[in-house]
Amino acid sequence: DAEITQSPRHKITETGRQVTLACHQTWNHNNMFWYRQDLGHGLRLIHYSYGVQDTNKGEVSDGYSVSRSNTEDLPLTLESAASSQTSVYFCASSASGANVLTFGAGSRLTVL
Amino acid sequence: QKEVEQDPGPLSVPEGAIVSLNCTYSNSAFQYFMWYRQYSRKGPELLMYTYSSGNKEDGRFTAQVDKSSKYISLFIRDSQPSDSATYLCAMSALTGANSKLTFGKGITLSVRP
Repeated sequence: DAEITQSPRHKITETGRQVTLACHQTWNHNNMFWYRQDLGHGLRLIHYSYGVQDTNKGEVSDGYSVSRSNTEDLPLTLESAASSQTSVYFCASSASGANVLTFGAGSRLTVL
Repeated sequence: QKEVEQDPGPLSVPEGAIVSLNCTYSNSAFQYFMWYRQYSRKGPELLMYTYSSGNKEDGRFTAQVDKSSKYISLFIRDSQPSDSATYLCAMSALTGANSKLTFGKGITLSVRP
C-alpha cells in the first residue's frame, strides 16, 4: 500500500543545532507540503513543492528550508533550531490537479 | 479577521448525541470544503469533501455548506466513543496547482460512554 512516512517520530535537540526531518511518500504525488501544528494556531504551512526542483515558502517559513531532488522526498531542515520551533511537524502530499491532502503521522520536535 | 474561524472547544457529549461542528470563513472564493479527523498523536485524515453549496451524507456524518452565509457544518449522528478526535475544517478556492488549503484551528470532541 502507498504511504507517507516521516522520520524521526520524536526528536529532542538543543538550541542552535541543525535538524532535518525526513518525509518519504510512495503515492507518486507531485505536490508535497510541510505544516507545523501548535495549540491555539492549528496547522500552519511552512514550505511546499509542486514538483522536482520546485519549492515555495508558506506562511511560517523563516528558519526552515526544503529541497526537492526527487518525487518521493521533501526533507525539512531547521538551520539553527530555536525553542519557538518546538512543535509537531506534519508532511502531506497530493496528486497533481487535486487539493485533498494525505498526511504523515507527524514528527514531534522539542528544542531545549 | 482570520480567513477561517472554527469554534475552539473542547466539546464533550454523551454517547448517542448529535454533534454539530461549525466553521465560518471570509473568503468568498472558497469552493472546496473538507473536514479532516485527527486522532491523538496521528496525522489528519480526510473525512468529508464537498464542492460548492449543499449537503453530503456518508453514514453517520453529514457535511453542509452554505456559501451565502460563508458557513460550513459537520453533523455526527449517534455519536460513538470512537468519534473522539480533533476535527479540522479546511477549504480552498482552487484545485490543482496553487490550491493550498486553509485550515481552521480544529475542535477536540470527546464522546463519553
